[in-house]
Amino acid sequence: DTAVSQTPKYLVTQMGNDKSIKCEQNLGHDTMYWYKQDSKKFLKIMFSYNNKELIINETVPNRFSPKSPDKAHLNLHINSLELGDSAVYFCASSLGNLGYTFGSGTRLTVV
Amino acid sequence: DQQVKQNSPSLSVQEGRISILNCDYTNSMFDYFLWYKKYPAEGPTFLISISSIKDKNEDGRFTVFLNKSAKHLSLHIVPSQPGDSAVYFCAASQGGKLIFGQGTELSVKP
Repeated sequence: DTAVSQTPKYLVTQMGNDKSIKCEQNLGHDTMYWYKQDSKKFLKIMFSYNNKELIINETVPNRFSPKSPDKAHLNLHINSLELGDSAVYFCASSLGNLGYTFGSGTRLTVV
Repeated sequence: DQQVKQNSPSLSVQEGRISILNCDYTNSMFDYFLWYKKYPAEGPTFLISISSIKDKNEDGRFTVFLNKSAKHLSLHIVPSQPGDSAVYFCAASQGGKLIFGQGTELSVKP
């Protein structure tokens, strides 16, 4: 039974399209995150939600909009996709600040 | 400006020997440091952590050392096993978020 699941696992799309990545956790955690692993392999935080409230919003283009309908879900919607958005996106959750559990990642390729 | 850096992209070690993975950081306000392990097509999984008030934490074959004056931490794996082959990420905690290095790919050869 997957603890943090994100879908889809792979996503190939054309520039200019709008796409969403979904994330769900069944761990009862109160905080969820989106991280981006760029071409240089760094894992960089994008957003963090605690009990459906946005608490961390790093310098991310406003084409990226997270949505948390409840504390078990954190979806990521991306408008007007660009080539530079190609990356692996990881969802994670935690109880408090430590003990992160990551999803298996979504590899986004923009062509 | 990367606050957490792992300067070795890869490391190859013989089975049974010691693996030493290194990590440097710039921010003295980090209060917790963690190591994560990642297999291909999977998310990172937590391995071991250390509080900034300690200089060593040990868990089985894994030991993390923290040198605050040098802003350096290292992960020692003894003895290394082929199943340890993975990418290892160093991370530092600040204000509710983890800041990751770029990872070191460890290959343990039989």
